[in-house]
Amino acid sequence: DTEVTQTPKHLVMGMTNKKSLKCEQHMGHRAMYWYKQKAKKPPELMFVYSYEKLSINESVPSRFSPECPNSSLLNLHLHALQPEDSALYLCASSHPLYGYTFGSGTRLTVV
Amino acid sequence: AQTVTQSQPEMSVQEAETVTLSCTYDTSESDYYLFWYKQPPSRQMILVIRQEAYKQQNATENRFSVNFQKAAKSFSLKISDSQLGDAAMYFCAYRTPQSSGSRLTFGEGTQLTVNP
Repeated sequence: DTEVTQTPKHLVMGMTNKKSLKCEQHMGHRAMYWYKQKAKKPPELMFVYSYEKLSINESVPSRFSPECPNSSLLNLHLHALQPEDSALYLCASSHPLYGYTFGSGTRLTVV
Repeated sequence: AQTVTQSQPEMSVQEAETVTLSCTYDTSESDYYLFWYKQPPSRQMILVIRQEAYKQQNATENRFSVNFQKAAKSFSLKISDSQLGDAAMYFCAYRTPQSSGSRLTFGEGTQLTVNP
């Protein structure tokens, strides 16, 4: 299995809602990432988990809350988001010597 | 901090022709990896090619090849025999080798159009 699976593919949520994005990989990668990407821009790093521990938090607002329940799963909990948080959210995993493998992303719209 | 620069926001090429996308980077590290990623309209980020800095030989993957000039900190991507399916945003990226969890630094991207 050489894929990173993200669910849901699309999400529309109100500013008072609570939702979660999910990411799963079975390649044995011990590093997993959340990126945010706006249209025609490069991905921006949000969080890095290394061996299930949060190793990098790029000063992301607390309305985004990551969680890594085990080495294969990564969640991003969303609460009280703003319209400017609408974007493509990409999950990725990596091997130390190779590149990242990205999921197909969740297109999030905050209304 | 490492930076990656792609100086061509947009490029176009005729089908079956060759196009070269430019990338320069700045780092004080001696060991690192460089990548080209392709992002078509579906927005799936796809690894095109990878280069280890310690290898002098330029990486190739079918119609895709790189010109890696370590001293000049340049890493260009050549696409030969361009196909309509090559149309996408192309990102150059850099990472340092670490045991786990190293940051991937992206350039701003080059939007490639392939004309029939």
